[in-house]
Amino acid sequence: SYELTQPPSLSVSPGQTARITCSGDALPKQYVYWFQQKPGQAPVLVILKDSVRPSGIPERFSGSSSGTTVTLTISGVQAEDEADYYCQSAGSSNTYYVFGSGTKVTVL
Amino acid sequence: EVQLVESGGGLVQPGRSLRLSCAASGFNFGDYAMHWVRQAPGKGLEWVSGISWNSGSLGYADSVKGRFTISRDNAKNSLYLQINSLRADDTAFYYCVKDVMMRWEPLEDNYLDYWGQGTLVTVSS
Repeated sequence: SYELTQPPSLSVSPGQTARITCSGDALPKQYVYWFQQKPGQAPVLVILKDSVRPSGIPERFSGSSSGTTVTLTISGVQAEDEADYYCQSAGSSNTYYVFGSGTKVTVL
Repeated sequence: EVQLVESGGGLVQPGRSLRLSCAASGFNFGDYAMHWVRQAPGKGLEWVSGISWNSGSLGYADSVKGRFTISRDNAKNSLYLQINSLRADDTAFYYCVKDVMMRWEPLEDNYLDYWGQGTLVTVSS
């Protein structure tokens, strides 16, 4: 089955920039969505359609796409951004949804 | 304010059945597709099933086909998931999730916008 690949973890200091990648062969043809999940909470959509920020999401969250890799960038990371981040796209023939394995962002 | 409240989880023996429910409020439930997404403790997210606004189209992950049945009652603003022949690897938080479109398929304009807080299903003898 189709897979999306994310790095398991990354650490960043407050105020620095965090870049989380999501790779998949079909991504040039499919949108990617990013979800933030804090411990004990439900996921929250932070980026839709590769680079669109939903209302209420801080401007420091942005998304970009290049070929088979999509990137979530958090500029000026804050302690409250410490969370797991999941990318999500469509499976083959648009018959199912697929999530990446998640990236744990630690703010040092 | 959109609210999705799941219920029906608990400790269940392997092989038994369980029915999860999701009570929706704060939006016109009958206008949107809905989904179930699960997350094993400490693990990642897995899409389980989706249902179109009028129940005319259903979708399931390969891992649950034949054992899970999604349904909805628009008059009651409720979404359901019937789980049969429960296995240990079904142990997970089950989230009720709203789509932005009427159909559930992951087409260009579909995405998952609101999630409930989840209900925990534990399968163990």
